[in-house]
Amino acid sequence: EAGVAQSPRYKIIEKRQSVAFWCNPISGHATLYWYQQILGQGPKLLIQFQNNGVVDDSQLPKDRFSAERLKGVDSTLKIQPAKLEDSAVYLCASSLVASKGPETQYFGPGTRLLVL
Amino acid sequence: AQSVTQLGSHVSVSEGALVLLRCNYSSSVPPYLFWYVQYPNQGLQLLLKYTSAATLVKGINGFEAEFKKSETSFHLTKPSAHMSDAAEYFCAVSDSSASKIIFGSGTRLSIRP
Repeated sequence: EAGVAQSPRYKIIEKRQSVAFWCNPISGHATLYWYQQILGQGPKLLIQFQNNGVVDDSQLPKDRFSAERLKGVDSTLKIQPAKLEDSAVYLCASSLVASKGPETQYFGPGTRLLVL
Repeated sequence: AQSVTQLGSHVSVSEGALVLLRCNYSSSVPPYLFWYVQYPNQGLQLLLKYTSAATLVKGINGFEAEFKKSETSFHLTKPSAHMSDAAEYFCAVSDSSASKIIFGSGTRLSIRP
């Protein structure tokens, strides 16, 4: 079974530029998550989708971050314009729909973003 | 609000020694608890999870954790460390009604030859 795929793996941009990350979840997983992991910290949830609907985006800085999951499969996360403090690893995870308690989340390798 | 506190940002043990990584949680409802491992330049991988069944949970790679409600703890242990165990370990908590997981800040485990 193929895992969660993310691209690119690394990205370096200058502040005020825009950047986009792509995620392809495990086949059949209805729930998709984007996390931000700043160096030395644990992952922080940015947005959670179930199929193509948003379940939780309370931690997403909506003035600069946006995400979509068209057709309930692949997802993109965009930052426009980027700030220095956006330097982090962006992790995508997917899981089956939680029916009784949280389902196991499977993580991709992440995209490491450096904003100069 | 739920949270987890991982005691010790860095733990170093000798190969073959006991591994003990500490995690305390805060939750107003019965929690689900997790331990994840992250190897360099990789995503997180689930080691084990507690879902209100047995309080002693066995995971992959010889790790186990014990849920202690009276101490609000969920410490991770392994009897004998191996060089391949060197990684970052994250404790996490979720409530019983949602799939949102709150992660701790992580503990980096180093293994000395």
